[in-house]
Amino acid sequence: AQSVTQLGSHVSVSEGALVLLRCNYSSSVPPYLFWYVQYPNQGLQLLLKYTSAATLVKGINGFEAEFKKSETSFHLTKPSAHMRDAAEYFCAVSETGGFKTIFGAGTRLFVKA
Amino acid sequence: SQTIHQWPATLVQPVGSPLSLECTVEGTSNPNLYWYRQAAGRGLQLLFYSVGIGQISSEVPQNLSASRPQDRQFILSSKKLLLSDSGFYLCAWSEGGTDTQYFGPGTRLTVL
Repeated sequence: AQSVTQLGSHVSVSEGALVLLRCNYSSSVPPYLFWYVQYPNQGLQLLLKYTSAATLVKGINGFEAEFKKSETSFHLTKPSAHMRDAAEYFCAVSETGGFKTIFGAGTRLFVKA
Repeated sequence: SQTIHQWPATLVQPVGSPLSLECTVEGTSNPNLYWYRQAAGRGLQLLFYSVGIGQISSEVPQNLSASRPQDRQFILSSKKLLLSDSGFYLCAWSEGGTDTQYFGPGTRLTVL
């Protein structure tokens, strides 16, 4: 069975600092991995998606994530945080042939001025 | 392009009252459809998914039900709401099970 663990329910960084949001997954077959962002009182939007084409995936708004099979990780990074990055971020996994995507519990990112 | 609509945006209902939330998708055919609930401080809980008209899979036993009367319409219902049904309800669609899910704007439900 597939699962996702996001380390840290809250992360706080200063504006301009590195953003690192951690995600570990479990999957019995090669997974598809996703990062979504949710702004207050809105639905989720896709940031980026890994589908085995390349281990380093670049997404919108300057975010990227690296798939590391040996560590079963898919951490999200951004070199320099902006105030507008303050939101909740969800890591998700789905399996080939499946009908469902499993979401992590989410990490709320706070950006301090 | 594809668009997903949810209504109402907010809803306040008394305990024991019925519920009907609607979700429609435009610009695609035979999408996979999903209902999620997001309670305060918790992640997304998958409630139902559907891979076709009349085909509903339930993930969590509860007093909610879902129906898909048309290809691009997904309805979440309850006959009698509980306090624990309060939360943010999200509808989503995808072209396939492993594909990107596209979310609607959500419905904030408060049961008093």
